[in-house]
Amino acid sequence: EPEVTQTPSHQVTQMGQEVILRCVPISNHLYFYWYRQILGQKVEFLVSFYNNEISEKSEIFDDQFSVERPDGSNFTLKIRSTKLEDSAMYFCASSEPTSGETQYFGPGTRLLVL
Amino acid sequence: GESVGLHLPTLSVQEGDNSIINCAYSNSASDYFIWYKQESGKGPQFIIDIRSNMDKRQGQRVTVLLNKTVKHLSLQIAATQPGDSAVYFCAERAGNQFYFGTGTSLTVIP
Repeated sequence: EPEVTQTPSHQVTQMGQEVILRCVPISNHLYFYWYRQILGQKVEFLVSFYNNEISEKSEIFDDQFSVERPDGSNFTLKIRSTKLEDSAMYFCASSEPTSGETQYFGPGTRLLVL
Repeated sequence: GESVGLHLPTLSVQEGDNSIINCAYSNSASDYFIWYKQESGKGPQFIIDIRSNMDKRQGQRVTVLLNKTVKHLSLQIAATQPGDSAVYFCAERAGNQFYFGTGTSLTVIP
């Protein structure tokens, strides 16, 4: 069964450093999403991406964040200058071209900012 | 901001019993609702969804009920199994954004 994959599974970085989180969505999916989940808290929507552009973003997704689909398979989330409060689990998701609704989540990348 | 919340943080049920997990939402403009299951160390897993023009939708062993009058969503799991033990949370779509609840931890007692 096809699945969304994410790398790395864990990332430790120093405050102020840039990180890039990588995702490979399911191959025929056209809608892509990033979410984060701070430990013990709810999943929070960051951004949705369709047709090579951001379709929606939340208040969390400020200028420190950017997304990119550099090729036909990868979908990345970049945090330019990490802050302590960026420590969280980051989930990528993708959804089917027909409905654009049923989202399939990856296993997540646990980011720890020191 | 939006508010999607769960009534109970934990729920324990005997194996074979039915489980009901509840969720309240606040945005009357939300048009689509989803239930997810999240096991420890894994990403959320889609269980079932429902559009706002429906009151009930059934899947395999799961049923979602939507009461728009009181902005309430519930997930019913029939014949709960040990493998159903996980955190369950609802999500709503308002516009193009998704808002998630905190989650209910379901424990199935063998």
